[in-house]
This record gives sequence, structure tokens and C-alpha cells, in this order.
Amino acid sequence: AAGVIQSPRHLIKEKRETATLKCYPIPRHDTVYWYQQGPGQDPQFLISFYEKMQSDKGSIPDRFSAQQFSDYHSELNMSSLELGDSALYFCASSSRLAGGGETQYFGPGTRLLVL
Amino acid sequence: GEDVEQSLFLSVREGDSSVINCTYTDSSSTYLYWYKQEPGAGLQLLTYIFSNMDMKQDQRLTVLLNKKDKHLSLRIADTQTGDSAIYFCAESTSGTYKYIFGTGTRLKVLA
Repeated sequence: AAGVIQSPRHLIKEKRETATLKCYPIPRHDTVYWYQQGPGQDPQFLISFYEKMQSDKGSIPDRFSAQQFSDYHSELNMSSLELGDSALYFCASSSRLAGGGETQYFGPGTRLLVL
Repeated sequence: GEDVEQSLFLSVREGDSSVINCTYTDSSSTYLYWYKQEPGAGLQLLTYIFSNMDMKQDQRLTVLLNKKDKHLSLRIADTQTGDSAIYFCAESTSGTYKYIFGTGTRLKVLA
């Protein structure tokens, strides 16, 4: 079965650079979520989109922005990167329209290292 | 605010049962999940339970929910070395669609 796809899987950036993370949800899933997991930490919710509109907002820094496109893929844009942004970034998807909106399926994550 | 707590570590012998516990504070939690994370890997959905259920069994996994005490547990029968991982519980409330994760329990299975 198709799963959530994230790219790139690994990314190395320097301080003050920008990064763009991409997420391709499971086909026919309409909702995308972004989470940040620091080393040894539990995943923290950043932001979610349903039908291309922002749905919920968590602890996402102002330096980050995200959007969901017409094909339902999502991108997380991170600017003015800081050392503390080094983390594993997960994307998850679910299908609210099919009544399973509460169960999220996670991608493999993008590991971002800021030097 | 919402808070989800787990024990940090659990060590069991291969073949024994493992019980991983989770407590949460949000009484309006509607859905509770268990995810498994192996080193350097993503979050794998193991099972979930709705708040109107007390128990759910899925092969070697048994989930127990005590809604009064806001306590959730995951029992893994006949634990194998391949079960060694970090186990996260997560809760969500109907209408919010975001997860609050627990702190994660690192399960180590000894051969």
C-alpha cells in the first residue's frame, strides 16, 4: 500500500539558510500534518492543512511557513535556520472526508541538520 | 494544557509480556493511539482505541483504557527482540485533528 512520502530524507544546511521540506500524502488523503521531533524528544505538532486550507496551528515558529497544494502535497518552508531547528520533521496524512480523519499515517521523516 | 506522560524505559526478557503505560490529562480526549518508532525511522501506527471502548485486542497487542483514571496501557504478548523500539502514545480530540504525543517509552528486549 502507498505510504506518505517525504523528501528529502536528509538535509544539511548552515545557519541563516533556508530549507524546503516536501510531503506527498497517501492517495485520497485530504489532510496533512507537520511535526517536529528534536533529539530524544517526542514529536511536537507544528501545523496542519485540510483541503488546502490551514486547519490547526501548533508551535510553529514565525520563520516557518507551510502550504498545501492543489494535488494535496505540502511543503514546509523554513527560513533563517537556527541550530535548534536540527530535528526530524515528520509529515502525516489522514482522510477526514472518509471519516478516518483522526488516524494519522506518518512518513519516514526528513532529518534536518543545521550547522 | 494537555499533557501526556509515559515511563521513559522498560526492559523485558524475550518471550515475556511487556506493559507500557500512558497517562493523559485531557478528559475530552476522544482517540488514543500507540505508535512504534525504531531508531532513525518514522512513526508506525500500531493500534488505536476510541474513548468509548475499554479494551481492544489486535494479535499480540492489547490496549486497555481506564477513562476514569485517564490511563492507557499497551500490552505486548510474547515480546520479541524485534519489538525493541520507542513506543509513543498519542491523544487527539474530535474536531482538533492534532496529536499530543507522550514522552515515549524505550523498550529494550533482552535475549
